[in-house]
Order: sequence, then C-alpha cells, then structure tokens
Amino acid sequence: AQKITQTQPGMFVQEKEAVTLDCTYDTSDPSYGLFWYKQPSSGEMIFLIYQGSYDQQNATEGRYSLNFQKARKSANLVISASQLGDSAMYFCAMREGSTGGGNKLTFGTGTQLKVEL
Amino acid sequence: ETGVTQSPTHLIKTRGQQVTLRCSSQSGHNTVSWYQQALGQGPQFIFQYYREEENGRGNFPPRFSGLQFPNYSSELNVNALELDDSALYLCASSLAQGRDTEAFFGQGTRLTVV
Repeated sequence: AQKITQTQPGMFVQEKEAVTLDCTYDTSDPSYGLFWYKQPSSGEMIFLIYQGSYDQQNATEGRYSLNFQKARKSANLVISASQLGDSAMYFCAMREGSTGGGNKLTFGTGTQLKVEL
Repeated sequence: ETGVTQSPTHLIKTRGQQVTLRCSSQSGHNTVSWYQQALGQGPQFIFQYYREEENGRGNFPPRFSGLQFPNYSSELNVNALELDDSALYLCASSLAQGRDTEAFFGQGTRLTVV
C-alpha cells in the first residue's frame, strides 16, 4: 500500500527567505511519480512540480524545486524567495507507476505555510 | 486557470437525499478522477473514468457512483447522503494514462449535508 507522510502541520517563513516542506513516501512499486500541489483557501489544487522515480535530476519549476532522495524515500519541496502569495496548504502526492494507473493519487495530510513580512 | 470546471461550487443537502456533482474536463483530456477532501485532510481518491468506463476505485461504498460522457465530462452521484459525506469534492482531468501526465484539478464543490 502506498503512503505519503507530511510531518509538518504548519510552517512559518519570512518573505524572501527559502523554505523546505518535508515529504516521505512508502511504496514497493519501482515506478512511481511524486507531485506537489498548492491549495489556497479557495480550494483549487494547483499543480507545482513533478518528479518521476526514474528521473536522474531533481525537478525544478521556477522558484520550486524538489529535493528527491530515492534511497531515503523523501521528496521535499523547496520554495525559494518566498512571497506573501505562497501562503497556502501544500500537499505531497504519489501516483502508482504502472501504466493504467492513470490519476489515482495518494495525498499526504498537508502542510499549512504562512509567509510573514 | 486549468480549464477544469466544476458545478455547483457550493451545495447543501439533507441526510438521505441524493446529489449529482458535475465536472467539465480540460479540452482533449480523456481521464477524469474524483476525490473527496474532508476538512483538514488530504484528498481521498474515489474513482477514475477513462473513455467512459470506471477504471480504478478507492475505498468508497457503492452509493458513490459516476459517469463519463463522450465529451469526457463527468458526474459524481452520491445516494443516501450521510453527514460524513460533507466535504470538498474535487475532480481532476488528464490527457491520457501514463507515467508523466499531470492531473489538473477544478476548484471543487463544497457539499454540506445537514
């Protein structure tokens, strides 16, 4: 069974600083995908970044980067130069890797990030 | 914006009633998944539809059912509503099944059962 663990219920960061949101996962499938989503209070899940289990390099998307440590089964999200608009709930999610898995995502419990002046 | 739209945005129903939620997927996307997100929790996978057929289901009872139409839009139906069904219901669409496809979510429908 898949499992995603996010151990930080809440995080604070000062504007313009970097912040790391932790995510560990558990799966026996050698092929899988890891996602991070941002959910503002409006409810929409906004895709941020994706890392495939066979990807050799850590994924980056603008100010977002994913620190993928496969042996430790961790996929931490790093947000650089935090902005007030980054304040939201952040979810780590994993997708089953085999073809036909489609979009069944297993989510963690989320981390509430608050960016302060 | 992702191009995935859900309706209605908010809904209040009475216990025992039935409800239908709708999702219009992003143009060209043929896979739609539904998730239930209770307050303070991460989304839980309900089921997925691919080319109008259910293709994967989470740990939800049969009173949760769905449809996907030829234009790939989708419905989630919940019968015999219970108080615990109160949640944000999210739909996600993607282009095709595969390892690298992103799932784009709609803004969700907030269902309150009283």
